[in-house]
Amino acid sequence: RKEVEQDPGPFNVPEGATVAFNCTYSNSASQSFFWYRQDCRKEPKLLMSVYSSGNEDGRFTAQLNRASQYISLLIRDSKLSDSATYLCVVNPGRRALTFGSGTRLQVQP
Amino acid sequence: GAVVSQHPSWVICKSGTSVKIECRSLDFQATTMFWYRQFPKQSLMLMATSNEGSKATYEQGVEKDKFLINHASLTLSTLTVTSAHPEDSSFYICSARDLLAASGYNEQFFGPGTRLTVL
Repeated sequence: RKEVEQDPGPFNVPEGATVAFNCTYSNSASQSFFWYRQDCRKEPKLLMSVYSSGNEDGRFTAQLNRASQYISLLIRDSKLSDSATYLCVVNPGRRALTFGSGTRLQVQP
Repeated sequence: GAVVSQHPSWVICKSGTSVKIECRSLDFQATTMFWYRQFPKQSLMLMATSNEGSKATYEQGVEKDKFLINHASLTLSTLTVTSAHPEDSSFYICSARDLLAASGYNEQFFGPGTRLTVL
């Protein structure tokens, strides 16, 4: 079983749509959780950290359920510029990060 | 945020040659740098953890004699792919942790990556 699992997609949505990505992780001792964004042929960039209480940053909302070992990302009012691969990332207790394989989002005009 | 550079950004080489990739933290010090590899449509896979002044820690399945890591200073780590073969063709990305970052534990910054193609 992969340490971090994501639906690879692609998710094809029209501009303005709301889209949700899910992620599960296997290590119950994991301490920190993140969503990264990766554009084609580029390095990943931190989108937002994920907290147990849930957190929001503009159009993006992240949720964490430690009991279910489940993380989600909600994007409201999708923009063309949101098209990218979204990586669910977990810190399993080491200093290195464990990446999911990513969910590809394509926002269409 | 902090800046991490990588050089070269891309390289094409013949099978059997060695390729060196540099990772630099430009405006902060990093006692620890991480080397990842990403094959097309796959996730980033940690290869090794590079510690300044000591030997790197390699992940299971990564050959330390093939992927030589040197972390000679707080701002530079190098990865040398020795005797490269076509199956080593990949996107190599480094990341560095800011030693003095207030948020500490998880403040990692990624380099832009190096795309290696071995013919």
